[in-house]
Amino acid sequence: AAGVIQSPRHLIKEKRETATLKCYPIPRHDTVYWYQQGPGQDPQFLISFYEKMQSDKGSIPDRFSAQQFSDYHSELNMSSLELGDSALYFCASSLPGLGYTFGSGTRLTVV
Amino acid sequence: AQKITQTQPGMFVQEKEAVTLDCTYDTSDPSYGLFWYKQPSSGEMIFLIYQGSYDQQNATEGRYSLNFQKARKSANLVISASQLGDSAMYFCAMRLPNTGNQFYFGTGTSLTVIP
Repeated sequence: AAGVIQSPRHLIKEKRETATLKCYPIPRHDTVYWYQQGPGQDPQFLISFYEKMQSDKGSIPDRFSAQQFSDYHSELNMSSLELGDSALYFCASSLPGLGYTFGSGTRLTVV
Repeated sequence: AQKITQTQPGMFVQEKEAVTLDCTYDTSDPSYGLFWYKQPSSGEMIFLIYQGSYDQQNATEGRYSLNFQKARKSANLVISASQLGDSAMYFCAMRLPNTGNQFYFGTGTSLTVIP
Protein backbone atom coordinates (compact mmCIF):
# COMPACT_ATOMS: atom_id res chain seq x y z
CA ALA A 1 0.00 0.00 0.00
CA ALA A 2 1.21 3.51 -0.75
CA GLY A 3 2.51 5.43 2.22
CA VAL A 4 3.41 9.03 2.90
CA ILE A 5 6.62 9.85 1.05
CA GLN A 6 9.03 12.44 2.35
CA SER A 7 12.09 13.69 0.61
CA PRO A 8 14.90 13.97 1.18
CA ARG A 9 15.47 11.45 3.98
CA HIS A 10 18.53 13.31 5.19
CA LEU A 11 19.65 16.87 4.63
CA ILE A 12 22.69 18.76 5.82
CA LYS A 13 22.69 22.54 5.56
CA GLU A 14 24.84 25.35 6.87
CA LYS A 15 23.61 28.13 9.12
CA ARG A 16 21.70 30.86 7.27
CA GLU A 17 21.00 28.59 4.31
CA THR A 18 17.54 27.60 3.12
CA ALA A 19 15.99 24.16 2.93
CA THR A 20 12.90 22.74 1.27
CA LEU A 21 11.30 19.56 2.53
CA LYS A 22 8.74 17.73 0.44
CA CYS A 23 5.83 15.54 1.41
CA TYR A 24 3.68 13.38 -0.85
CA PRO A 25 0.54 12.22 0.96
CA ILE A 26 -1.31 8.99 0.49
CA PRO A 27 -3.50 9.23 -2.61
CA ARG A 28 -6.92 10.79 -1.86
CA HIS A 29 -5.78 12.07 1.52
CA ASP A 30 -6.69 15.75 1.52
CA THR A 31 -5.06 16.86 4.78
CA VAL A 32 -1.35 17.23 5.43
CA TYR A 33 0.35 17.96 8.75
CA TRP A 34 3.93 18.94 9.53
CA TYR A 35 5.66 18.15 12.82
CA GLN A 36 9.12 18.95 14.16
CA GLN A 37 10.86 16.59 16.56
CA GLY A 38 14.04 17.89 18.16
CA PRO A 39 16.65 15.49 19.59
CA GLY A 40 15.13 13.67 22.56
CA GLN A 41 11.88 15.63 22.25
CA ASP A 42 8.32 14.75 21.41
CA PRO A 43 6.97 15.87 18.02
CA GLN A 44 5.62 19.40 17.95
CA PHE A 45 2.89 20.45 15.54
CA LEU A 46 3.95 23.09 13.00
CA ILE A 47 1.19 23.56 10.46
CA SER A 48 -1.55 21.74 8.56
CA PHE A 49 -3.36 22.06 5.26
CA TYR A 50 -6.77 20.90 4.15
CA GLU A 51 -7.70 21.04 0.49
CA LYS A 52 -4.68 23.26 -0.26
CA MET A 53 -5.62 25.85 2.36
CA GLN A 54 -3.85 26.32 5.66
CA SER A 55 -6.16 24.82 8.28
CA ASP A 56 -4.22 25.16 11.52
CA LYS A 57 -0.97 26.66 12.72
CA GLY A 58 1.19 25.57 15.61
CA SER A 59 4.64 26.58 16.75
CA ILE A 60 6.02 27.33 13.30
CA PRO A 61 8.72 30.03 13.23
CA ASP A 62 8.23 33.02 10.94
CA ARG A 63 11.32 31.86 9.02
CA PHE A 64 9.37 28.80 7.90
CA SER A 65 6.58 28.70 5.38
CA ALA A 66 4.61 25.89 3.85
CA GLN A 67 2.05 25.26 1.19
CA GLN A 68 0.00 22.49 -0.32
CA PHE A 69 -0.14 22.22 -4.08
CA SER A 70 -2.90 21.23 -6.49
CA ASP A 71 -1.68 17.61 -6.48
CA TYR A 72 -1.89 17.69 -2.64
CA HIS A 73 1.82 17.38 -2.08
CA SER A 74 3.21 19.84 0.42
CA GLU A 75 6.50 21.65 0.86
CA LEU A 76 8.01 23.12 4.00
CA ASN A 77 10.39 25.97 3.24
CA MET A 78 12.89 26.93 5.89
CA SER A 79 15.06 30.03 5.57
CA SER A 80 17.91 31.54 7.60
CA LEU A 81 18.52 28.15 9.16
CA GLU A 82 19.75 28.04 12.73
CA LEU A 83 21.52 25.28 14.62
CA GLY A 84 18.34 24.77 16.66
CA ASP A 85 16.43 23.84 13.53
CA SER A 86 18.27 20.52 13.47
CA ALA A 87 15.48 18.00 13.96
CA LEU A 88 13.43 15.24 12.45
CA TYR A 89 10.61 16.71 10.39
CA PHE A 90 7.56 14.54 9.93
CA CYS A 91 4.77 14.90 7.48
CA ALA A 92 1.49 13.06 8.00
CA SER A 93 -1.64 12.78 5.91
CA SER A 94 -5.21 11.81 6.62
CA LEU A 95 -8.77 11.98 5.53
CA PRO A 96 -11.05 14.08 7.76
CA GLY A 97 -11.91 12.32 10.99
CA LEU A 98 -9.64 9.38 10.34
CA GLY A 99 -6.22 8.44 11.63
CA TYR A 100 -2.93 9.82 10.49
CA THR A 101 -0.25 8.09 8.53
CA PHE A 102 3.20 9.47 9.15
CA GLY A 103 6.00 9.58 6.64
CA SER A 104 9.45 8.31 7.56
CA GLY A 105 10.64 11.83 8.24
CA THR A 106 13.41 14.09 6.98
CA ARG A 107 16.38 14.41 9.27
CA LEU A 108 17.74 17.95 8.95
CA THR A 109 21.15 18.76 10.35
CA VAL A 110 22.25 22.37 10.42
CA VAL A 111 25.99 22.86 10.82
CA ALA B 1 -0.63 23.09 29.43
CA GLN B 2 0.50 19.54 28.81
CA LYS B 3 -2.40 17.56 27.44
CA ILE B 4 -0.65 14.18 27.42
CA THR B 5 1.50 12.99 30.29
CA GLN B 6 3.85 10.02 30.17
CA THR B 7 5.54 9.70 33.54
CA GLN B 8 7.98 6.91 32.68
CA PRO B 9 11.01 8.25 30.79
CA GLY B 10 12.49 4.76 30.58
CA MET B 11 11.31 1.22 31.19
CA PHE B 12 12.97 -2.19 31.14
CA VAL B 13 11.20 -5.49 30.58
CA GLN B 14 12.39 -9.07 30.31
CA GLU B 15 11.83 -10.74 26.98
CA LYS B 16 8.50 -12.65 26.83
CA GLU B 17 7.04 -10.69 29.76
CA ALA B 18 4.27 -8.10 29.59
CA VAL B 19 4.82 -4.40 30.18
CA THR B 20 2.50 -1.45 30.75
CA LEU B 21 3.36 2.03 29.53
CA ASP B 22 1.42 4.76 31.28
CA CYS B 23 -0.41 7.64 29.65
CA THR B 24 -2.81 10.17 31.11
CA TYR B 25 -4.55 12.88 29.16
CA ASP B 26 -6.33 16.12 29.83
CA THR B 27 -9.21 17.49 27.82
CA SER B 28 -12.71 18.75 28.44
CA ASP B 29 -13.74 17.93 24.89
CA PRO B 30 -16.06 14.88 24.87
CA SER B 31 -14.79 13.80 21.46
CA TYR B 32 -11.16 12.74 21.20
CA GLY B 33 -8.94 10.00 19.91
CA LEU B 34 -6.04 8.40 21.70
CA PHE B 35 -3.14 6.85 19.84
CA TRP B 36 0.07 5.03 20.58
CA TYR B 37 3.04 5.24 18.26
CA LYS B 38 6.35 3.36 18.31
CA GLN B 39 9.50 5.14 17.21
CA PRO B 40 12.53 2.89 16.73
CA SER B 41 16.03 4.30 16.49
CA SER B 42 15.57 4.67 12.72
CA GLY B 43 13.12 7.49 13.48
CA GLU B 44 9.90 6.58 11.73
CA MET B 45 6.61 6.82 13.63
CA ILE B 46 4.77 3.53 13.56
CA PHE B 47 1.07 3.48 14.44
CA LEU B 48 0.23 0.83 17.03
CA ILE B 49 -3.27 1.28 18.36
CA TYR B 50 -6.21 3.69 18.53
CA GLN B 51 -8.98 4.28 21.08
CA GLY B 52 -11.89 6.60 20.46
CA SER B 53 -13.47 8.45 23.36
CA TYR B 54 -16.85 6.86 22.67
CA ASP B 55 -15.54 3.34 22.26
CA GLN B 56 -17.03 1.02 24.85
CA GLN B 57 -14.40 -1.67 24.57
CA ASN B 58 -10.66 -1.45 25.06
CA ALA B 59 -8.78 -1.53 21.78
CA THR B 60 -6.56 -4.50 20.95
CA GLU B 61 -4.16 -5.06 18.07
CA GLY B 62 -2.23 -8.29 18.27
CA ARG B 63 0.16 -8.07 21.22
CA TYR B 64 -0.91 -4.50 21.93
CA SER B 65 -3.89 -3.57 24.04
CA LEU B 66 -5.01 -0.24 25.39
CA ASN B 67 -6.30 -0.08 28.96
CA PHE B 68 -8.76 2.80 28.60
CA GLN B 69 -10.07 4.19 31.88
CA LYS B 70 -12.14 7.18 30.88
CA ALA B 71 -13.01 8.40 34.36
CA ARG B 72 -9.34 8.43 35.31
CA LYS B 73 -8.36 9.87 31.91
CA SER B 74 -5.78 7.19 31.35
CA ALA B 75 -4.90 5.21 28.25
CA ASN B 76 -2.12 2.82 29.17
CA LEU B 77 -0.51 0.64 26.53
CA VAL B 78 0.01 -3.01 27.41
CA ILE B 79 2.51 -5.00 25.36
CA SER B 80 2.26 -8.72 25.97
CA ALA B 81 5.04 -11.26 25.35
CA SER B 82 7.72 -8.61 24.79
CA GLN B 83 10.19 -9.15 21.99
CA LEU B 84 13.67 -7.69 21.49
CA GLY B 85 12.30 -5.75 18.52
CA ASP B 86 9.93 -3.90 20.83
CA SER B 87 12.84 -1.83 22.14
CA ALA B 88 11.99 1.72 21.03
CA MET B 89 10.47 5.01 22.11
CA TYR B 90 6.72 4.90 22.61
CA PHE B 91 4.58 8.00 22.29
CA CYS B 92 1.05 8.45 23.49
CA ALA B 93 -0.91 11.05 21.53
CA MET B 94 -4.33 12.65 21.55
CA ARG B 95 -6.25 14.09 18.69
CA LEU B 96 -9.08 16.57 19.18
CA PRO B 97 -11.33 16.67 16.11
CA ASN B 98 -12.98 19.88 17.26
CA THR B 99 -9.72 21.83 17.48
CA GLY B 100 -7.91 21.28 14.22
CA ASN B 101 -7.14 17.58 14.38
CA GLN B 102 -3.52 18.13 15.31
CA PHE B 103 -1.84 15.59 17.55
CA TYR B 104 -0.70 16.38 21.08
CA PHE B 105 2.15 14.06 21.98
CA GLY B 106 3.48 12.99 25.34
CA THR B 107 7.19 13.13 26.05
CA GLY B 108 7.59 9.44 25.32
CA THR B 109 8.77 6.35 27.14
CA SER B 110 11.94 4.56 26.12
CA LEU B 111 11.38 0.80 26.38
CA THR B 112 14.28 -1.61 26.50
CA VAL B 113 13.61 -5.34 26.23
CA ILE B 114 16.25 -7.42 27.96
CA PRO B 115 17.07 -10.90 26.62
